[in-house]
Amino acid sequence: IAGITQAPTSQILAAGRRMTLRCTQDMRHNAMYWYRQDLGLGLRLIHYSNTAGTTGKGEVPDGYSVSRANTDDFPLTLASAVPSQTSVYFCASSPDRSSTEAFFGQGTRLTVV
Amino acid sequence: GNSVTQMEGPVTLSEEAFLTINCTYTATGYPSLFWYVQYPGEGLQLLLKATKADDKGSNKGFEATYRKETTSFHLEKGSVQVSDSAVYFCALSDPIRGSSASKIIFGSGTRLSIRP
Repeated sequence: IAGITQAPTSQILAAGRRMTLRCTQDMRHNAMYWYRQDLGLGLRLIHYSNTAGTTGKGEVPDGYSVSRANTDDFPLTLASAVPSQTSVYFCASSPDRSSTEAFFGQGTRLTVV
Repeated sequence: GNSVTQMEGPVTLSEEAFLTINCTYTATGYPSLFWYVQYPGEGLQLLLKATKADDKGSNKGFEATYRKETTSFHLEKGSVQVSDSAVYFCALSDPIRGSSASKIIFGSGTRLSIRP
């Protein structure tokens, strides 16, 4: 089934540890995004990528890094996790740069203790 | 910058009631407007969209009209069902400064619960 796959589904992580959230899409979409969802704040953009080989910072990029080595994969890395990074993380993709519609993964629930 | 404000929840209605969830936006230019829905334990799904003024988006009995004069995109449904219980997000497309790309800006979400 075409779509976006995120892994893991959930994770409990000790503060200070490094963690990579995986995101893979098979729709050959050019643009990909990482959002975090926090109660009362909606979804906030962390990083984005227009196309393979390019990335950019969103609204809340601090403490996160991304890479886009190919069209399908867009991993999000927390270099040294902190409790404020406890959130639900959603990866999304859209067919082109104008982002008239985005397709979302099922999310990764991350708890930093 | 561009932003979205939607009515706070939670909203609780009885089955077959009329639904309105208010959404207003602030934007330069003419963004596309969206309503996304998130069912329990799932990611977001696009419910409907409108790309220019006076457009009406519709899907699954839900409707929203792009009102530029009032900068609004209110979500309506004439008769809600228990299966409509979810969190609804109003959103707009927003150009990313220094880039040819756009991102989606979301409102804070409105939780809707429908009683049988």
